Amino acid sequence: SAVISQKPSRDICQRGTSLTIQCQVDSQVTMMFWYRQQPGQSLTLIATANQGSEATYESGFVIDKFPISRPNLTFSTLTVSNMSPEDSSIYLCSVDRLAENIQYFGAGTRLSVL
Amino acid sequence: GQQVMQIPQYQHVQEGEDFTTYCNSSTTLSNIQWYKQRPGGHPVFLIQLVKSGEVKKQKRLTFQFGEAKKNSSLHITATQTTDVGTYFCAGPRAQKLVFGQGTRLTINP
Repeated sequence: SAVISQKPSRDICQRGTSLTIQCQVDSQVTMMFWYRQQPGQSLTLIATANQGSEATYESGFVIDKFPISRPNLTFSTLTVSNMSPEDSSIYLCSVDRLAENIQYFGAGTRLSVL
Repeated sequence: GQQVMQIPQYQHVQEGEDFTTYCNSSTTLSNIQWYKQRPGGHPVFLIQLVKSGEVKKQKRLTFQFGEAKKNSSLHITATQTTDVGTYFCAGPRAQKLVFGQGTRLTINP
């Protein structure tokens, strides 16, 4: 498995502001992923964070709204920009440590936007 | 695109009863994975099935991968309150995973 530290664990934010979520892994990994999970729903992939290149976004998600950084092989950030109440959700990072398609998740960030 | 369908969406059982969740893919899968998410927690990897017709057991949990590698099931024998949570199946698509909708299991003690 992998030890993944994600922070903040939760936050309450005002409409129109931005929040940056951090994900730190205890070892170098090639693939890092960012998901959104609405209450009681499944996981929706936002983007794949690639080291040394731009993130690859899934349909319905754009870089201006969810900019992602991947400065090295152990760290990534996801920013939720210009937030609205519809952005209230759980945001999860995950890694595919051994390129086995098995993913290990951070504890998640519970975001509420007022 | 590839879809992974999971049923039922919810299941409520009495403690000690069995539980089964089913997963179906629109395409043949190279492998299928199962994850468990406890209430308030994050998804945790349980198991990966790779071979056609494969059956794996983890204590009271039995996982099956269909012969055509398009469906899978998770069966829990004699549920306990610690089994509460949402169970997700997931199939690979390129280097990503496609998750099913999940089956939320609640248990009456």
